[in-house]
Amino acid sequence: GAGVSQSPSNKVTEKGKDVELRCDPISGHTALYWYRQSLGQGLEFLIYFQGNSAPDKSGLPSDRFSAERTGGSVSTLTIQRTQQEDSAVYLCASSFPGLAYEQYFGPGTRLTVT
Amino acid sequence: RKEVEQDPGPFNVPEGATVAFNCTYSNSASQSFFWYRQDCRKEPKLLMSVYSSGNEDGRFTAQLNRASQYISLLIRDSKLSDSATYLCVVPPMDSSYKLIFGSGTRLLVRP
Repeated sequence: GAGVSQSPSNKVTEKGKDVELRCDPISGHTALYWYRQSLGQGLEFLIYFQGNSAPDKSGLPSDRFSAERTGGSVSTLTIQRTQQEDSAVYLCASSFPGLAYEQYFGPGTRLTVT
Repeated sequence: RKEVEQDPGPFNVPEGATVAFNCTYSNSASQSFFWYRQDCRKEPKLLMSVYSSGNEDGRFTAQLNRASQYISLLIRDSKLSDSATYLCVVPPMDSSYKLIFGSGTRLLVRP
């Protein structure tokens, strides 16, 4: 079956602009995660969605970051007023609930803020 | 001390070699651990899990040393295709889903 898909694969934006990153999880996976990976660094947890429960937003680095998940499927991560330090690869993953250790990742969106 | 620490490497080994790298963790109460593999410019993928008894899958063996709080990954008979970054993952005790990823150990297998 289809894996996790993300779009766009690459995004170059000017400092101060808003960007939207999209994630389409594996069908049937009710858990969805967003991470950020800077060059040579580990994955930084951003936000977690599980079914209809309130999302865990504890990893969002500032109030410029927000995410939503519509209909329990597709998720959008929005970064407002982008800064150069936001440049990174944004990875989305999904899993079955209770199997968080087995996350399936999308190919990521490489964001460059100029 | 960081929750998960890894030697960034790179470990540069010839084909056929045996290589091992460790990952240290700070929470002594952690029960389960995982290794993910990430190819260059690709997404991470689950490689194997590590519980108290360790785990072996073909050429790959993962072991846990609770006393010293580290897990290890041993790769025997290295292949060129093993070249990747290996991420150590530890679930925190206060969350079942917020995985903590190490920054990874890079392995280069040369012909």
